[in-house]
Amino acid sequence: EVQLVESGGGLVKPGGSLRLSCASSGFSFTTYAMNWVRQAPGKGLEWVSSISSSSTFTYYADSVKGRFTISRDSAKNSLYLQMNSLGAEDTAVYYCAREGNHCRSTSCYFDHWGQGALVTVSS
Amino acid sequence: DIQMTQSPSTLSASVGDRVTITCRASQSISTWLAWYQQKPGRVPKFLIYEASNLESGVPSRFSGSGSGTEFTLTISSLQPDDFATYYCQQYYSHSYTFGQGTRLEIK
Repeated sequence: EVQLVESGGGLVKPGGSLRLSCASSGFSFTTYAMNWVRQAPGKGLEWVSSISSSSTFTYYADSVKGRFTISRDSAKNSLYLQMNSLGAEDTAVYYCAREGNHCRSTSCYFDHWGQGALVTVSS
Repeated sequence: DIQMTQSPSTLSASVGDRVTITCRASQSISTWLAWYQQKPGRVPKFLIYEASNLESGVPSRFSGSGSGTEFTLTISSLQPDDFATYYCQQYYSHSYTFGQGTRLEIK
């Protein structure tokens, strides 16, 4: 069974930093691209960042480019999101999501999601 | 970025009804579209890929269609478990975008 478990969320002051982690199990982590998707309170889904299976390629939404860094560790079967210069607009539940099995070359949908990590940016 | 627009934003229906949700893309995305279901306080659940292909385990009352810029998600006979918010997502471009969501509520 595919499992994705996020950790590292919490309350941070504006301008601060936070690092999210996502521990995976139940599948071959090195085979799949991984993603972060967020959802602000009461709002819809927003894709944040993606990383290819071998870490060769990374992609970011314009709203986080230059502030967030995605990475992965195949030895630990884990995905990370380093978030810097956080603002109130970054307050959201952050989901770790795996790409699906029927992708369009390098882009894809998300077939498995973690339970989410809440990040609150407030003074 | 490709913009995805869903309609309606809210849909009121009864158990047993047939309902259709529409998703429009700001440019052609071929059939590179997925659908998700999300219940309050829960994780999004993946339903359909490539516009019309049901994920394993998804009930057959769900179906998807469309190509280019216009897509639909249809539930043939609503069940109590189906009342939720539905999102479309394009993966034609790697700058992934979701529709704003359609809340399906009990009439």
